[in-house]
Amino acid sequence: DAGVIQSPRHEVTEMGQEVTLRCKPISGHNSLFWYRQTMMRGLELLIYFNNNVPIDDSGMPEDRFSAKMPNASFSTLKIQPSEPRDSAVYFCASFWANTEAFFGQGTRLTVV
Amino acid sequence: GQQVMQIPQYQHVQEGEDFTTYCNSSTTLSNIQWYKQRPGGHPVFLIQLVKSGEVKKQKRLTFQFGEAKKNSSLHITATQTTDVGTYFCAGRMIYNQGGKLIFGQGTELSVKP
Repeated sequence: DAGVIQSPRHEVTEMGQEVTLRCKPISGHNSLFWYRQTMMRGLELLIYFNNNVPIDDSGMPEDRFSAKMPNASFSTLKIQPSEPRDSAVYFCASFWANTEAFFGQGTRLTVV
Repeated sequence: GQQVMQIPQYQHVQEGEDFTTYCNSSTTLSNIQWYKQRPGGHPVFLIQLVKSGEVKKQKRLTFQFGEAKKNSSLHITATQTTDVGTYFCAGRMIYNQGGKLIFGQGTELSVKP
């Protein structure tokens, strides 16, 4: 397996634009997390899915953020409209049951 | 809300010195995991502790889980430059549906040769 795959690796966008981050979890994993990492806040859990169902989205900062998992092999995190304070590295991670989480390489988002 | 606190935030050591990072949860944990993130990289799993009072070793790394399953520590003996990175603990909350994993703030370790 190629591991958790995220795209794009880097994204630079203008304030107000829509941004979509993508994640392909490891095949067979039944849970998926989206995290945001910044120097100030560290690794923040945004949302996690279990069996494609959103279980807890209490970490989503505001309504501008939305996440979907239409099937077991794909998830998206959308920011609309984007703001400079959304600049961060966004990680997707997947795992099976209560085992370890496998992280993707991350998407470095810069909103100018 | 559920929180996992980790200290110290930064640790600078001379190569060969020991290093310890501590993790505390506001609630009892089902298990705790430790991850290492190299600069510019992504968190990589090191180990998972499940049992109360559990101690596990990986070469120079020693991991402990507290008796109350609310705290944990990672100790590195005789640090090397390859140990550089940020070490995170991550707690899986007990009775939590789906296995929500909450990360501590991390301890950034720098090692001076």
